[in-house]
Amino acid sequence: NAGVMQNPRHLVRRRGQEARLRCSPMKGHSHVYWYRQLPEEGLKFMVYLQKENIIDESGMPKERFSAEFPKEGPSILRIQQVVRGDSAAYFCASSPLRGGIVLNTEAFFGQGTRLTVV
Amino acid sequence: SQQGEEDPQALSIQEGENATMNCSYKTSINNLQWYRQNSGRGLVHLILIRSNEREKHSGRLRVTLDTSKKSSSLLITASRAADTASYFCATARSQGGSEKLVFGKGTKLTVNP
Repeated sequence: NAGVMQNPRHLVRRRGQEARLRCSPMKGHSHVYWYRQLPEEGLKFMVYLQKENIIDESGMPKERFSAEFPKEGPSILRIQQVVRGDSAAYFCASSPLRGGIVLNTEAFFGQGTRLTVV
Repeated sequence: SQQGEEDPQALSIQEGENATMNCSYKTSINNLQWYRQNSGRGLVHLILIRSNEREKHSGRLRVTLDTSKKSSSLLITASRAADTASYFCATARSQGGSEKLVFGKGTKLTVNP
């Protein structure tokens, strides 16, 4: 059973370009979380998705950022018109159940995508 | 702030010594989890302790949870150079119809050979 797969592992974008980050959850997992980690910092929650549904996007910046988790295919975190401050590591985690992490199951994290905006 | 706080922020010890890291949080939780992150890598889940548990062991790891003080500690015994990493606590919360993990800022542990 493959773990959570994120790609690309490294992404370089020029200011003003779009960044698309992909996350394939573990097999059988229908819930995905996205987190952002700035250098030397902890992970900050961005968005929580179920297939075809956004459950909680309270951590997402209001502009330029969007996320989706379609019925088929990976979850996508999209950042439009990137700026230098978007440079960070973006992590995806998946869980098998709605509320799995509060039902005492762990969330499984991917290796992250490191976005560098130049 | 909803973030947990770990202390110390950085810890440097010699191989063979024990390392203790602490975590405090502010709201009620369902469980608390500890993760390890090697430099530039993803997170590895270490241990989960439920809110009704007080102590848990896994190999060289010992985690305690005091919900009255809203704090947890992670003890790594007989540390090894390979334990060098950042360690994060994360609290699992239900909030406004959503469930999420809220991470602290981490403790950077260096184990010197």
